[in-house]
Order: sequence, then C-alpha cells, then structure tokens
Amino acid sequence: EIVMTQSPATLSVSPGERATLSCRASQSISSLLAWYQQKPGQAPRLLIHDASTRATGIPARFSGSGSGTDFTLTISSLQSEDFAVYYCQQYHSWPRGTFGQGTKVEIK
Amino acid sequence: EVPLVQSGAEVKKPGESLKISCKGSGNSFSGYWIGWVRQMPGKGLEWMGIIYPGDSDSRISPSFQGQVTISVDKSISTAYLQWSSLRASDSAMYYCGRVVRGGPFDSWGQGTLVTVSS
Repeated sequence: EIVMTQSPATLSVSPGERATLSCRASQSISSLLAWYQQKPGQAPRLLIHDASTRATGIPARFSGSGSGTDFTLTISSLQSEDFAVYYCQQYHSWPRGTFGQGTKVEIK
Repeated sequence: EVPLVQSGAEVKKPGESLKISCKGSGNSFSGYWIGWVRQMPGKGLEWMGIIYPGDSDSRISPSFQGQVTISVDKSISTAYLQWSSLRASDSAMYYCGRVVRGGPFDSWGQGTLVTVSS
C-alpha cells in the first residue's frame, strides 16, 4: 500500500502570510495527487487534482506542485476562511486511494 | 444542485446491523464511481472502498475487508455502506464521494454520523 506522509502536522500562520504544506508518497505516484480542505463540521472539498490543477471555483491563491514522491500545496496569502485541515490523497493505485494524515493550518 | 445526499445520523448498539445510504441526483451517478471514507472522531480521512453503479464492480480497502459491504441500487441512484455486526470502534463520520474513473473525489455527501454504544 502507498503511504502518504504530510508535514507539518500543524502550521501556525498569520493572515496574509504564505503557507506551504508538504506531502510525501512512499513510492512514485506520478502526478496522481489531490489536495482537499476540510473545515470543522464540514465534508472535505477538492482543491487541487493531478498535483497542480485547481478544481472548479478554487481561488488562485491555492497552488499545487510536485511529481513523483514529493508534493507541495501553497496558499499564497492566507485568508480567514483558509484556516482548516488539509489532506493529500494519492490515486495512483486507483481504484484504491490513500490519504495523508492531514495538516492543520491555524491562526498564529 | 447537491450531487450526493446521505442518510441521517444513527445510534446503534454493539452487535446490531446497519445500512447507510448515499443518494445521487441528476447526472451525479451516471459515469461516476462512488466511494466511502471514514473519519473517526478527531482523526483523519480513511479510504474504505468504492463501487461503480453501472455494473456494481467494487473494491474495498484491505483495512476494511470483511468488516463492511458496499452495494448500489442504480435504479434509484443510491449507494450503500453496510455492517452486519457493529462494534464501538465503528463510531465515526462516514462520507460518500463521487469519483471520476482514475481520479479523486470531486464532490462529497454531507456525511453520516454513526454512534455505536451500549
């Protein structure tokens, strides 16, 4: 099974600052990676697919990069509504997929 | 339009059976797979399994194999997640999501909270 490891577990950022989240796969997954945002009491929301393609309606301040085993989600200027937990998910082993353990972005 | 609507919260006793549902609307089922994800209290997302309504082809994660059953009734655009004998450790939020073949979850149900307690 492909294991996804996210870091850091918690990221403290001030509004307006940049946030950089990492996700590493235990083996190469090409670019078959998605990022999701989850706010308390809500279902996850797809932000990025295929490592770097924003989903419909996602603001341009969210960007994804990487391929192979190392991936990054960058939020260029954090807004109040961006404080949430972010998960990566690989779908290289589709139909089976695995999620990372999540990174919580909190207000500094 | 809300693509996926899940059944309501459930409170069950250990050993009881349960079947929760995920209903699609419009074209939300046609051509898509439907997956299930578990989120235990305060924890992350766990991929459980997936099913294709067109032919009921399904795959379940080894972590959940033998513990749950995934099924679908395409005539009513509804997918199901079923337990024959619940345990306290099954207490969690369960989400269904729509998956394009070979892709990620592009939309999600609102979640069904399952509580198993004696």
